[in-house]
Amino acid sequence: NAGVTQTPKFRILKIGQSMTLQCTQDMNHNYMYWYRQDPGMGLKLIYYSVGAGITDKGEVPNGYNVSRSTTEDFPLRLELAAPSQTSVYFCASSLGPGPPLSGNTIYFGEGSWLTVV
Amino acid sequence: AQSVTQPDIHITVSEGASLELRCNYSYGATPYLFWYVQSPGQGLQLLLKYFSGDTLVQGIKGFEAEFKRSQSSFNLRKPSVHWSDAAEYFCAVGGLTGGGNKLTFGTGTQLKVEL
Repeated sequence: NAGVTQTPKFRILKIGQSMTLQCTQDMNHNYMYWYRQDPGMGLKLIYYSVGAGITDKGEVPNGYNVSRSTTEDFPLRLELAAPSQTSVYFCASSLGPGPPLSGNTIYFGEGSWLTVV
Repeated sequence: AQSVTQPDIHITVSEGASLELRCNYSYGATPYLFWYVQSPGQGLQLLLKYFSGDTLVQGIKGFEAEFKRSQSSFNLRKPSVHWSDAAEYFCAVGGLTGGGNKLTFGTGTQLKVEL
């Protein structure tokens, strides 16, 4: 029962470098999300996807890109890393659009700690 | 816009004592409310959720929460805290905006348990 799996768990990037955070889920969920968590703050939604081939911006999308070529995978790309992107990143997924019809629950991965220096 | 306020940044309780973590929300329609717990270095685990019906909801690990519409609150409670409950707790309100199940999180309450 893997659920939502994120890699890598820890990464240090230099300013201007690019990288991709991988996220995969094995629950056949249609909806997937990327959040970032900064110290003393709640989680902020970066991007989300309602199904393969469909993505949309969340609250804090600048500096990031996503793609959703399959139901299982939802990678998050940082093109030109900046210190402001030092954060903990969480991928999440849910079966459908949420309550009340289905009582959908969002399941989170264990997080990816990213430091940009 | 939806928002969540957790007024207590840190709370310290003794093991065996009761616990109440406060959560106030702002949402323009019927709110869908959640409590998540995050242990150090871990992801978020769902404790409980409220969608409709009984305003007192039971969750895992002996936690419960009560939805009070008149006070726009969804406080988390536990009658007797265990040392393993030390973690960060997040309240969240969910809503459908242009598709997607988007959660808005509070800033979290760090719980410390004294032995």
